[in-house]
Amino acid sequence: AQSVTQLGSHVSVSEGALVLLRCNYSSSVPPYLFWYVQYPNQGLQLLLKYTTGATLVKGINGFEAEFKKSETSFHLTKPSAHMSDAAEYFCAVSFNFGNEKLTFGTGTRLTIIP
Amino acid sequence: DTEVTQTPKHLVMGMTNKKSLKCEQHMGHRAMYWYKQKAKKPPELMFVYSYEKLSINESVPSRFSPECPNSSLLNLHLHALQPEDSALYLCASSQERTGPLNQPQHFGDGTRLSIL
Repeated sequence: AQSVTQLGSHVSVSEGALVLLRCNYSSSVPPYLFWYVQYPNQGLQLLLKYTTGATLVKGINGFEAEFKKSETSFHLTKPSAHMSDAAEYFCAVSFNFGNEKLTFGTGTRLTIIP
Repeated sequence: DTEVTQTPKHLVMGMTNKKSLKCEQHMGHRAMYWYKQKAKKPPELMFVYSYEKLSINESVPSRFSPECPNSSLLNLHLHALQPEDSALYLCASSQERTGPLNQPQHFGDGTRLSIL
């Protein structure tokens, strides 16, 4: 079965420190991978996506993620955390061109410590 | 500011009431989606409309009735809901339905629904 796992339901980092949010997927076919962010009382906003091509993907707000097939991972990083990064982050995956269904991970709540 | 507008932002209704949620986008997108999100959980897909036709129903109970009057509007009609239906209901849109490059990338801020 296809799935995506986010390690760590809660992550806390100090302001200015590296942000690392982990996402691993399980699939027998090449996946299409996404990171979404959800701020309190808001909908989801697409941060970045990987479909094909370059494995290092840059997104909005200084975030980036690297697709590592050998590790079945798509971890999200940001070099320096900002207070405004506090939010819920969802990794999502879809498989097979033409399949528009997204499978979301359980989410990671990011807290920024002043 | 979100490009997908959902109204109302909050809704409280009794189990015997009939109400509707509204979603509107003016980006020319031809696919629209309803998701349900419980607290501290990821969104769950409910319905997908493609070119104003219902293309996916994820086995949603009939007390939820979607409607797509035109390419810019998506409604969700609610009747005889249960307390467990209390959740955040999110609408999303994308250019077209097919292919991951056209995944729903534009979400509204949702309607927070409480069933008494």
